[in-house]
Amino acid sequence: EADIYQTPRYLVIGTGKKITLECSQTMGHDKMYWYQQDPGMELHLIHYSYGVNSTEKGDLSSESTVSRIRTEHFPLTLESARPSHTSQYLCASSGTSGYNEQFFGPGTRLTVL
Amino acid sequence: AQSVTQLGSHVSVSEGALVLLRCNYSSSVPPYLFWYVQYPNQGLQLLLKYTSAATLVKGINGFEAEFKKSETSFHLTKPSAHMSDAAEYFCAVSENAGGTSYGKLTFGQGTILTVHP
Repeated sequence: EADIYQTPRYLVIGTGKKITLECSQTMGHDKMYWYQQDPGMELHLIHYSYGVNSTEKGDLSSESTVSRIRTEHFPLTLESARPSHTSQYLCASSGTSGYNEQFFGPGTRLTVL
Repeated sequence: AQSVTQLGSHVSVSEGALVLLRCNYSSSVPPYLFWYVQYPNQGLQLLLKYTSAATLVKGINGFEAEFKKSETSFHLTKPSAHMSDAAEYFCAVSENAGGTSYGKLTFGQGTILTVHP
């Protein structure tokens, strides 16, 4: 079944740790996105990619980095987590329909102590 | 540039009552418009989309939305609310290939819908 996956779903980690949030999709989509969402708040685009070896920063500045080595995989890395990084991170992808509708993963809720 | 404004961060209705969630947009080119729903601790699920084919769009779970160019609006409605409709709803706009934000969605701030028995 075509889908988009995120792991872990929940992560509690101490300050200063390096973390990688995984995102994979099996829909063959060329575009992928990372959003940051605080509870009850709007989504802010922090990274996007239009294909392999293509990554761009989004509208909200983030200390995280991303890579796109394979079409289906778009991991997000924080080199040194801080409490200010506590948030929900949503991954999405879109294909070639031309309408830019995005399909979302279930999200990773990150808590940095 | 594109933007979305959702009027009312919280909407409360009784079960069986009409649901109306308001969304106004701005876009420099003809837009594509979307409504998404988010249940607690989950990602966003697409409810419906406007892609210029028809101004009244029907979606899943009995929801529909009407595109009104003159009012730059895309309000979401459902004739009869159900308890299971309680969630957060996001309106989003995307520009087509002629826009500077092609490929991106811009989201509104969200509206939390509460349904009372």
